[in-house]
Amino acid sequence: QQQVKQSPQSLIVQKGGISIINCAYENTAFDYFPWYQQFPGKGPALLIAIRPDVSEKKEGRFTISFNKSAKQFSLHIMDSQPGDSATYFCAASSKTSYDKVIFGPGTSLSVIP
Amino acid sequence: DAGVIQSPRHEVTEMGQEVTLRCKPISGHDYLFWYRQTMMRGLELLIYFNNNVPIDDSGMPEDRFSAKMPNASFSTLKIQPSEPRDSAVYFCASSLLRLSYEQYFGPGTRLTVT
Repeated sequence: QQQVKQSPQSLIVQKGGISIINCAYENTAFDYFPWYQQFPGKGPALLIAIRPDVSEKKEGRFTISFNKSAKQFSLHIMDSQPGDSATYFCAASSKTSYDKVIFGPGTSLSVIP
Repeated sequence: DAGVIQSPRHEVTEMGQEVTLRCKPISGHDYLFWYRQTMMRGLELLIYFNNNVPIDDSGMPEDRFSAKMPNASFSTLKIQPSEPRDSAVYFCASSLLRLSYEQYFGPGTRLTVT
């Protein structure tokens, strides 16, 4: 119930293409869904986050789509660039779980020229 | 603010030795988290504190691991005795109570136990 599933495990995208990472959850008590980006040798950093009462949130080239009924959400990176190459983690948190953030297993994205 | 500060950045030790990792959270943050990251197990939450009080230590692997937060600006994660399977990158993160999902991670400590 506390798990967040994420796919694919790794992704290779051509420069300029769209990168899509999908996540799913079971616990309907989750009330915030952040995405984190991690570059090699660095700690994860918050990229974008969405609440379940919003179906889509866009920040620059990054868009989160949220499907509450299916308990799924996804990250789309438009016009992917080599600088986007990193590991991406979807996550979920809930006030009823004392604010613990549950991270997905991560997706390693490589954007090739 | 300098962000979350961790020390040391790299630690190499022999099996059986005691290891102490240190963390200074962002000033004013209410939560402090300790994570462990490996290729096999991904990012694992070990323990976290709210206002210096441990809230959930269910992720601590075994009794060899202990964590303390004696004040709002300092926390330690201790492994005694260390084992080769403890080799990983250990991250400390902090956040505000009202934005608990927005965690700020430190640069991590890469621990190698030989």
